[in-house]
Amino acid sequence: QSALTQPRSLSGSPGQSVTISCTGTSSDVGNYNFVSWYQQIPGKVPKLILYDVIKRPSGVPDRFSGSKSGNTASLTISGLQAEDEADYYCCSYVGKNTFNWMFGGGTKLTVL
Amino acid sequence: QVQLVESGGGVVQPGMSLTLSCATSGFTFNEYAIHWVRQAPGKGLEWVTVISYDGSEKYYADSVKGRFTISRDNLKKTVSLQMNSLRPDDTALYYCARVVRTFGYDGLDIWGQGTLVTVSS
Repeated sequence: QSALTQPRSLSGSPGQSVTISCTGTSSDVGNYNFVSWYQQIPGKVPKLILYDVIKRPSGVPDRFSGSKSGNTASLTISGLQAEDEADYYCCSYVGKNTFNWMFGGGTKLTVL
Repeated sequence: QVQLVESGGGVVQPGMSLTLSCATSGFTFNEYAIHWVRQAPGKGLEWVTVISYDGSEKYYADSVKGRFTISRDNLKKTVSLQMNSLRPDDTALYYCARVVRTFGYDGLDIWGQGTLVTVSS
């Protein structure tokens, strides 16, 4: 299985919105709503920011939102802030005769 | 507070074995599945394995299947990862992580700090 496909890098200015895509297949993202997103500041532990495609854990600002269309899930960060600069990873359940999870390759978000 | 603490990492030679442990506290342990996720130096996250809340279900990534074994002790509130036939590409920081909701599998909301495993001759 190949990792879910994410853009390697993205950038945006403070206040702008950015969207990070996560493309899989009909065996994973396209067939299940078990997509989660993680923020990882270099040297730190990953932090859950979305799960079940659109749900935010308590404490995560509503600037972070999720969606899914077909085999692609997306994370949108609105009102970009300097503290949002980090690596972002998507993760999806992979079914169909297996019971695995798979991460995307990660997207480095730079706040200009 | 809710906490996961990994231990057991170290430097081992290829082909050797190592057992990692994940000690937990602050939540009803026997209601949550636990995953292991690893991160090679400078690389992305890789899912390794998961064990269900009661230990009855265990699933593994293809890269570790047949070599790694996950288990849990619901009395001691710990999860173990037995790693055999270690290879240099198993070198990584290994995290244990709790799922966000009881009896589910998705969304890892609580992570340990990780324990480093280095496989090198």
